[in-house]
Amino acid sequence: AQSVSQHNHHVILSEAASLELGCNYSYGGTVNLFWYVQYPGQHLQLLLKYFSGDPLVKGIKGFEAEFIKSKFSFNLRKPSVQWSDTAEYFCAVNGGTGGFKTIFGAGTRLFVKA
Amino acid sequence: GAVVSQHPSWVICKSGTSVKIECRSLDFQATTMFWYRQFPKQSLMLMATSNEGSKATYEQGVEKDKFLINHASLTLSTLTVTSAHPEDSSFYICSARETSGRETQYFGPGTRLLVL
Repeated sequence: AQSVSQHNHHVILSEAASLELGCNYSYGGTVNLFWYVQYPGQHLQLLLKYFSGDPLVKGIKGFEAEFIKSKFSFNLRKPSVQWSDTAEYFCAVNGGTGGFKTIFGAGTRLFVKA
Repeated sequence: GAVVSQHPSWVICKSGTSVKIECRSLDFQATTMFWYRQFPKQSLMLMATSNEGSKATYEQGVEKDKFLINHASLTLSTLTVTSAHPEDSSFYICSARETSGRETQYFGPGTRLLVL
């Protein structure tokens, strides 16, 4: 069965620290990969996505993610976080043997200390 | 960008009543819409996939008679929670996939349901 795992449930960082959130998936075939962010009290927003091509994907607000096919990973990174990045981050996957159905990871809560 | 709306955003109802939640794609056509449920401090759980003009496909463990889904047009899908009970209280989120075939889903703001 398809699955998505996020390594960290909670992350606490100080402003200006670097961020890396792990995401691994278990899917057959060619997949599409996404990172979504949910700010407190708001709905899900797309941060970035990977369909094909350059495995290093740049998204909004200075985020980027790298698709490493051999490791079935799609880790999210940001070189310097801000207090406003406090939110919950979800990795998601569709395609392959799962078709259009998108499966979400459990989410990682990021808290950035000012 | 593509916008998906949900109505209502909040609903409180008595146990045993039915509640209908609407999901609309405002500026694009959506052949496929998805309904998710999010429990506090947990991830989104896919409940069902709704295809315009056909029956919804439910995930394992989701009662189709409890959660009725109708996708009558390319811009509207509805989720009806029938005979709601307190354990149905949750945050329900819909998403829509563009008919053009792009794999990105656009999410609605969610509907918080509280069953007393």
